[in-house]
Amino acid sequence: DVKVTQSSRYLVKRTGEKVFLECVQDMDHENMFWYRQDPGLGLRLIYFSYDVKMKEKGDIPEGYSVSREKKERFSLILESASTNQTSMYLCASSSPRGLQETQYFGPGTRLLVL
Amino acid sequence: ILNVEQSPQSLHVQEGDSTNFTCSFPSSNFYALHWYRWETAKSPEALFVMTLNGDEKKKGRISATLNTKEGYSYLYIKGSQPEDSATYLCASGTDKLIFGTGTRLQVFP
Repeated sequence: DVKVTQSSRYLVKRTGEKVFLECVQDMDHENMFWYRQDPGLGLRLIYFSYDVKMKEKGDIPEGYSVSREKKERFSLILESASTNQTSMYLCASSSPRGLQETQYFGPGTRLLVL
Repeated sequence: ILNVEQSPQSLHVQEGDSTNFTCSFPSSNFYALHWYRWETAKSPEALFVMTLNGDEKKKGRISATLNTKEGYSYLYIKGSQPEDSATYLCASGTDKLIFGTGTRLQVFP
């Protein structure tokens, strides 16, 4: 079974803190994604990566950065957390054969920024 | 349609009822349509990936159809059970997946 794990289920941070959200997948997938989910909105793509050390901006990259030093790990970084970054964050991975490939999701991290 | 849209936003049905909901997506440059089920406190789980016009897929009591020419997909659940309670997401796109806002289904015993 594909497994995507995220470092925390719940996280509370203060405004201005640097926040790291970690994601690890065990299926040797090339593609990895970070999304956020907010009430009334679909999953929105923040960043994605097609390979180690590669990153591409998604639809809402502002205020975020990412790191992919190893194939199995994709980190989302909030350089200076703000209250409007309070959200559910989901990581996903997939094999590289295109949009018909299933994305496998982690359980999500619910982040509260005070 | 510029986005992926789902309706209804939420649905409450009795156990045993059959139900269906809709996903609308841009029909131009269609590539694939995904359905996911997202239960509370769990990871979204893939149900179907559909690529061909007229595709029909089935998994137990859940089935889906696809019309790429008019840009819609239906998800059907036959004889709903409480364990079917979840948010059902669809996604489509050309260079990346765009997700709809989901249909939240609650099945009451």
